[in-house]
Amino acid sequence: NAGVMQNPRHLVRRRGQEARLRCSPMKGHSHVYWYRQLPEEGLKFMVYLQKENIIDESGMPKERFSAEFPKEGPSILRIQQVVRGDSAAYFCASSPPATSNSPLHFGNGTRLTVT
Amino acid sequence: SQKIEQNSEALNIQEGKTATLTCNYTNYSPAYLQWYRQDPGRGPVFLLLIRENEKEKRKERLKVTFDTTLKQSLFHITASQPADSATYLCALARASSGSARQLTFGSGTQLTVLP
Repeated sequence: NAGVMQNPRHLVRRRGQEARLRCSPMKGHSHVYWYRQLPEEGLKFMVYLQKENIIDESGMPKERFSAEFPKEGPSILRIQQVVRGDSAAYFCASSPPATSNSPLHFGNGTRLTVT
Repeated sequence: SQKIEQNSEALNIQEGKTATLTCNYTNYSPAYLQWYRQDPGRGPVFLLLIRENEKEKRKERLKVTFDTTLKQSLFHITASQPADSATYLCALARASSGSARQLTFGSGTQLTVLP
């Protein structure tokens, strides 16, 4: 009964490269959320997706960041032309489609380091 | 602007005592509030949820209160153990249905239980 799986756990990119972060939700969960956590700061909401739909992307930077959750396969958070300020832990969470107050199940994150 | 504040960056208590963590919020009308535990290098793990019309919720050694007048939630761990040492996060969801799935997290309180 696997939980939320994120990979890679650690990702190092040079400035200007692209970063792709993957998230496989828990079995039976069709809602995916991405959060970013900077050192000494709280989790900041980025985007909420259902299969093939972006429901709320109010926390996503307008440029360079995109997210998808295709019909088949994991959710992808893509960061183009990374800069040092993108270095952070990126957490994915999933929840079932039942009620709106379902708790979130988090993965263990991808730690992105931009050199 | 909307704000969530958790008490003191770090809290140290002696084993066996009750730990009390505070979550205060301003400019919010949360539909419900959740508490999570986060260990170093791991994703947050859901602990308890309390709705706006509930005053108190308990689960084993954990107790959460929710005072919408004071705009405050208290999180108690009774008979604390060194294994309870972690960062505890509170999270609020707004009442409007369109954004009810967007949880906003506090920056967390780091609890250390000393043997």
